[in-house]
Amino acid sequence: GAGVSQSPRYKVTKRGQDVALRCDPISGHVSLYWYRQALGQGPEFLTYFNYEAQQDKSGLPNDRFSAERPEGSISTLTIQRTEQRDSAMYRCASSLVYSFSPLGTEAFFGQGTRLTVV
Amino acid sequence: GENVEQHPSTLSVQEGDSAVIKCTYSDSASNYFPWYKQELGKGPQLIIDIRSNVGEKKDQRIAVTLNKTAKHFSLHITETQPEDSAVYFCAASKGTGGGNKLTFGTGTQLKVEL
Repeated sequence: GAGVSQSPRYKVTKRGQDVALRCDPISGHVSLYWYRQALGQGPEFLTYFNYEAQQDKSGLPNDRFSAERPEGSISTLTIQRTEQRDSAMYRCASSLVYSFSPLGTEAFFGQGTRLTVV
Repeated sequence: GENVEQHPSTLSVQEGDSAVIKCTYSDSASNYFPWYKQELGKGPQLIIDIRSNVGEKKDQRIAVTLNKTAKHFSLHITETQPEDSAVYFCAASKGTGGGNKLTFGTGTQLKVEL
């Protein structure tokens, strides 16, 4: 597609339910990142992948959060047993290369999934 | 880990004036500093970036300066226009070999008034 696509755009779920957020990166992009953005704050790193390999998950808040990218393209962020504090905008980004390269390391962001846990 | 501080949190200027947003970072290993513009209801969009081997970079009305010694960098927008109104985020990353894991500032709400 033309840009990073995330679905759903909005998700309202009851406390205790599991949710799965999907990210479809720009075709051919090697790296995929998940961020969480609270209202009035900058995006906060959660995890990232190079191809299908999860390189860094140090930003995941706890073990209820997990992510996968099995074929090196689409990624899913899963939150189990959701809590109200999980409510936020979840943003996905992708970039063409993962190393410091003259080709550029620009990360393109999707429009995000607004998660509300009630 | 890296910590990025951004000031001011809000900035109001008259159309045609200049706007300056400042950020400081804590990790001397950071070497890539992008600036993102976020309009209402949209994702952040890169407007300019700078790497640690460069002290200044300019793209039309937008410029970024970097002082590695002091660990701070700034965004300068000249001849501001109403369409410049948005939230601006600075960010820092180590870039090399570690992907592009970005640490963002808290954002500056820029309002350009007619």
